[in-house]
Amino acid sequence: NAGVMQNPRHLVRRRGQEARLRCSPMKGHSHVYWYRQLPEEGLKFMVYLQKENIIDESGMPKERFSAEFPKEGPSILRIQQVVRGDSAAYFCASSPQVRTHGYTFGSGTRLTVV
Amino acid sequence: AQTVTQSQPEMSVQEAETVTLSCTYDTSESDYYLFWYKQPPSRQMILVIRQEAYKQQNATENRFSVNFQKAAKSFSLKISDSQLGDAAMYFCAYRSAEEYGNKLVFGAGTILRVKS
Repeated sequence: NAGVMQNPRHLVRRRGQEARLRCSPMKGHSHVYWYRQLPEEGLKFMVYLQKENIIDESGMPKERFSAEFPKEGPSILRIQQVVRGDSAAYFCASSPQVRTHGYTFGSGTRLTVV
Repeated sequence: AQTVTQSQPEMSVQEAETVTLSCTYDTSESDYYLFWYKQPPSRQMILVIRQEAYKQQNATENRFSVNFQKAAKSFSLKISDSQLGDAAMYFCAYRSAEEYGNKLVFGAGTILRVKS
C-alpha cells in the first residue's frame, strides 16, 4: 500500500499563475481532506470531499480556491491567480468510511509564490 | 467551534529522559477523539497516539502515553526514554465524533528538541 501520494512535492509559481496540487488517497479510502500549514503554524482545515462530492468546504477561501475529487483519478486542489500569501504547505489526508479511524496524511506540497 | 491550545512553543529534553507536552482544548461535545501527531523535518505527519473521549483509560503506545483529563479538557503527551529521533514538531488535534465530516482541529504545535 503506497500510502497517500501528493505531487508535486515542491511547486513554485509566479504571482497570478495557477497552482494545481494532486492527491491520491490510500487504496480503499473514499474520504479526502485538504489542510494548509502556514509557516510556524498548525494545520488548518480547508475542505473535505468524497468521490464526486464536496462535503464541507467551510475552511476554504471563497475566491480563487477550488477542490474536486472525481470518480476516477486523484483529488485536485486548484488555486487560481496565486498571491504571496498562498505560500504554504498543503497537506492531503484520507480515511476509510469508518469514522473512528485516524487519518493518513500525505507528505504535503510546498507551494512557493514568487 | 472547537479550539486546541498548546501553550509550549518549544521544549527540550535530555536523551533517555522523560518529557511532557501540554495540550488543552475547548468543546461542548461529549463524544470526540484526541490525537497527537509528530512532524519531523521531512514534513510527514505521523500519528503518534489516539484517545477516544468515552474511554477513561489513558492510551499508551510503547514510549508514548497520554494523561487525558476529560473534566479539565486536558490531553498531555508523555514521552519516556527520549531518543534523538523524537525531535520534531508535535501537534495536538481534536476531532468530533458527532459532527459529520470529522475534520481535525490542530493546535499551533510544540517543537521538541532532544539533547545528546
